[in-house]
Amino acid sequence: ETGVTQTPRHLVMGMTNKKSLKCEQHLGHNAMYWYKQSAKKPLELMFVYSLEERVENNSVPSRFSPECPNSSHLFLHLHTLQPEDSALYLCASSHEMMSSYEQYFGPGTRLTVT
Amino acid sequence: GENVEQHPSTLSVQEGDSAVIKCTYSDSASNYFPWYKQELGKGPQLIIDIRSNVGEKKDQRIAVTLNKTAKHFSLHITETQPEDSAVYFCAANPFSARQLTFGSGTQLTVLP
Repeated sequence: ETGVTQTPRHLVMGMTNKKSLKCEQHLGHNAMYWYKQSAKKPLELMFVYSLEERVENNSVPSRFSPECPNSSHLFLHLHTLQPEDSALYLCASSHEMMSSYEQYFGPGTRLTVT
Repeated sequence: GENVEQHPSTLSVQEGDSAVIKCTYSDSASNYFPWYKQELGKGPQLIIDIRSNVGEKKDQRIAVTLNKTAKHFSLHITETQPEDSAVYFCAANPFSARQLTFGSGTQLTVLP
């Protein structure tokens, strides 16, 4: 399988649930990102990992917890979410050693919090 | 930080006509400007990008122009086809930064 994959593609969870989103990249990249895409809003960067170390956290609430066990995998652990957290969560990857920051996106996980 | 504004938010064109989407940015240090296309149910796909050392780049029916003095860049699609219908996002970032700042998107509809 090539590119950036995300599972699950759709997720419905209650506010008291705990769930995890998974992202895997098959591009040999060394940086990975989580974005939140809400209706009629620009993409919002949530977390950046470079060489498996978190390098940026854009003031994301602690109910979102990322994990990057290796350069190919990225997780987003979710707990006690709010209805306003319903959105499309996108994962992306890039190769930081190249002379650009071209980012390649996965298909996203459509999250609905009830 | 960087701020990117994108216009229009929706655009309808007849098949075969051209479409132009415009973006402005605020940070003069930005020097990388990608464009993404997002089809329904899919993630954004990089379609073309431009760096600040060039003013124009073309790839078949799509082209991007950059005016660094005015801090704006545009996407041009010629001979539009129904499969060009999608949401298009522009973005900008300084070369040394990891963070892309995205515009709010343009819903392009190509009418047959």
